[in-house]
Amino acid sequence: DGGITQSPKYLFRKEGQNVTLSCEQNLNHDAMYWYRQDPGQGLRLIYYSQIVNDFQKGDIAEGYSVSREKKESFPLTVTSAQKNPTAFYLCASSIRQGGGGYTFGSGTRLTVV
Amino acid sequence: AQTVTQSQPEMSVQEAETVTLSCTYDTSESDYYLFWYKQPPSRQMILVIRQEAYKQQNATENRFSVNFQKAAKSFSLKISDSQLGDAAMYFCAYRSAYMNRDDKIIFGKGTRLHILP
Repeated sequence: DGGITQSPKYLFRKEGQNVTLSCEQNLNHDAMYWYRQDPGQGLRLIYYSQIVNDFQKGDIAEGYSVSREKKESFPLTVTSAQKNPTAFYLCASSIRQGGGGYTFGSGTRLTVV
Repeated sequence: AQTVTQSQPEMSVQEAETVTLSCTYDTSESDYYLFWYKQPPSRQMILVIRQEAYKQQNATENRFSVNFQKAAKSFSLKISDSQLGDAAMYFCAYRSAYMNRDDKIIFGKGTRLHILP
């Protein structure tokens, strides 16, 4: 079955370390997105990519980096420059036209201690 | 820029009753799509319903229906016969129909729905 996979589900890191969150999809979607969600809050867009080798900053890109070397993969690196990285991270993908909604992954809960 | 506003941070409804969640949006575009997403305690985002702006008919999915008022830029979600499993955060969302490099879905801040047994 096609879907979007985020791994790991839970991630613990020490302060000052970079960490990479994985997002893989086999839906043949061109567009992929990363969102951050804090407790009881909405979704805030970090980065997004419409095609391979191209991506754009979202509303809260500072302290994060991404790459899009393959259509299926859109990893997110949380760097030590991110002041408050503990959060729930959601990855999503979609077709580029036709008004489709997003397909979401199940999320990664990152805790920095 | 488009915006989506959900004015009710939290709502409660008695089980088996009907509840309506409000959403307004702002856009200068004439062609777009609107969505309601549900996020239960598992935090998995689930698409509940989708509405195409150029379709006058309101979308329905089983117990879920919308009241789409294009001129008023309003898109409310009605949940009939509320069930305990409907307890979740609900997000209203907007997506332009015009494909461009900046294409993304704009989400509201969400409404947390509690179901009272």
